[in-house]
Amino acid sequence: DARVTQTPRHKVTEMGQEVTMRCQPILGHNTVFWYRQTMMQGLELLAYFRNRAPLDDSGMPKDRFSAEMPDATLATLKIQPSEPRDSAVYFCASGLDRGYEQYFGPGTRLTVT
Amino acid sequence: GNSVTQMEGPVTLSEEAFLTINCTYTATGYPSLFWYVQYPGEGLQLLLKATKADDKGSNKGFEATYRKETTSFHLEKGSVQVSDSAVYFCALSLTGGGNKLTFGTGTQLKVEL
Repeated sequence: DARVTQTPRHKVTEMGQEVTMRCQPILGHNTVFWYRQTMMQGLELLAYFRNRAPLDDSGMPKDRFSAEMPDATLATLKIQPSEPRDSAVYFCASGLDRGYEQYFGPGTRLTVT
Repeated sequence: GNSVTQMEGPVTLSEEAFLTINCTYTATGYPSLFWYVQYPGEGLQLLLKATKADDKGSNKGFEATYRKETTSFHLEKGSVQVSDSAVYFCALSLTGGGNKLTFGTGTQLKVEL
């Protein structure tokens, strides 16, 4: 049963520290999405990759966030420096650009103190 | 632009009650429509979909019909169970947009004994 995996599942860090979240998309999928979910803002799209190329990162704060796909099996989301307002659950999802479904990972719960 | 509007929650029902969660959309093209479900502590997963007007998507007793004339895709279930307690997201994707989705804000459903 193929699944999207995310690490770590939970992260607690202090303000100002760098945070790196990792995602392994389902093998063969060519689109990857990063979302942030909070009670106040709901589900926000941060970045969207197709065939490892970034297509849309307009939802991402550029000064502190960066998203990359070093290879087809790994997507990373980095926050440097982290701030308390970054506390949220970060989801990665993958899919096929000619399909309809996005397959979500279990999320990384980030707490910045 | 494209947007999805859902009824606000939480929706609280007794077990075996009838469920309706309203969803309306605005789209510049001809969208495909989806319902995703998020169980506590998990990522979103596809519940059902419809790709053209008058299509009915169904899964696990849930149904939704694509109504182009009213730009709606309301989710229904005849008899809810406690295990249906979750957050439900309505979403759309546009033809030619790959599998990039526009999500509604989500509606929390609580089912009590």
